Amino acid sequence: GQQLNQSPQSMFIQEGEDVSMNCTSSSIFNTWLWYKQDPGEGPVLLIALYKAGELTSNGRLTAQFGITRKDSFLNISASIPSDVGIYFCAGHPNTNAGKSTFGDGTTLTVKP
Amino acid sequence: NAGVMQNPRHLVRRRGQEARLRCSPMKGHSHVYWYRQLPEEGLKFMVYLQKENIIDESGMPKERFSAEFPKEGPSILRIQQVVRGDSAAYFCASSADPNQPQHFGDGTRLSIL
Repeated sequence: GQQLNQSPQSMFIQEGEDVSMNCTSSSIFNTWLWYKQDPGEGPVLLIALYKAGELTSNGRLTAQFGITRKDSFLNISASIPSDVGIYFCAGHPNTNAGKSTFGDGTTLTVKP
Repeated sequence: NAGVMQNPRHLVRRRGQEARLRCSPMKGHSHVYWYRQLPEEGLKFMVYLQKENIIDESGMPKERFSAEFPKEGPSILRIQQVVRGDSAAYFCASSADPNQPQHFGDGTRLSIL
């Protein structure tokens, strides 16, 4: 089946620093999604991307859908302590597919 | 709260018992998805249902696991004769249609003694 490689696996940064994480796939996706999961809770959708090359922002978060449709990145600018959590990328291989394929997550720790 | 509701939040079962996990989708959503998450891993797709129909069950184990989404009431994920390896967090998500992003509940943490 399809697999997503998400990196880095974990990051330890100082408050105020920028963060970048990415996902790559061996197959093409038509939709890329980025979620954040806090301990004991479900993933919360941050950004959805629908077109190759699309660059979308949500506050301090920016995500891009790679031109090849096989990768995506998420940037967080000026990190704050509440950014701590696990960030997951997810992809839909084609329309009407329904199910999402998830990466294994990037655990972000922000030191005040 | 109009979000995806899952219950129970925590469920403890002994080996051999049955586990029933419930999911009420967001209002207006008729597409439901179940995922399993092991510690420090991503979510693994199990099954996709649309009212009264199973659309894709390619991630469901062949035995002991079943899912339904009846015309009335919540979606149910049922695990019969549970084993220790079934211990995980089970998440339900819903969407208005399969092309829209999925919104997740807070999960059911299943522990098998």
